[in-house]
Amino acid sequence: KQEVTQIPAALSVPEGENLVLNCSFTDSAIYNLQWFRQDPGKGLTSLLLIQSSQREQTSGRLNASLDKSSGRSTLYIAASQPGDSATYLCAVWLWDDKIIFGKGTRLHILP
Amino acid sequence: EAQVTQNPRYLITVTGKKLTVTCSQNMNHEYMSWYRQDPGLGLRQIYYSMNVEVTDKGDVPEGYKVSRKEKRNFPLILESPSPNQTSLYFCASSPGQGEQPQHFGDGTRLSIL
Repeated sequence: KQEVTQIPAALSVPEGENLVLNCSFTDSAIYNLQWFRQDPGKGLTSLLLIQSSQREQTSGRLNASLDKSSGRSTLYIAASQPGDSATYLCAVWLWDDKIIFGKGTRLHILP
Repeated sequence: EAQVTQNPRYLITVTGKKLTVTCSQNMNHEYMSWYRQDPGLGLRQIYYSMNVEVTDKGDVPEGYKVSRKEKRNFPLILESPSPNQTSLYFCASSPGQGEQPQHFGDGTRLSIL
């Protein structure tokens, strides 16, 4: 059964630093992988979606990479800002149309 | 404005009293799904729908029903709610499975006493 793990569970870094969030999954047979952001008390906002044939996607200060063979994805955030503080969720879409989420990394950017 | 609307946002009810949480999207999306979010367990998929009259079970479907009679609506039905269904529920839609843009509702916090 597919499992998605995110490390670390929580992270605090000073403003301006570059940082990397990690996601691993147990079965490489995925349709695609998606990174989300969740603010307290809110729904999810999709950040980046990487199709299984792709290696990375970029949007502004965010870059997500995918290595299917090793079951890993990373989300790179450049020049972090206090507004980046949120929980970041990694999810894999399966070929049977389902989606499995990791438990998230709670990020706190210190001003 | 593109949006997914859930109602109610908050509900406190008692065991066994049937309830329905509505979800509506205005983007003509084909794929809709329901999730529950619990501390320590993360977000888990309950049911999803690929299109009208096409629904399927996610990871945790027990105790829930859904229907998709119209493209825009995807209600979540708890026929006989129990305390272990106390949770934060989210509805989401996207053009297709795993496609962008994907929109989430603001969530429904259910407490079953």
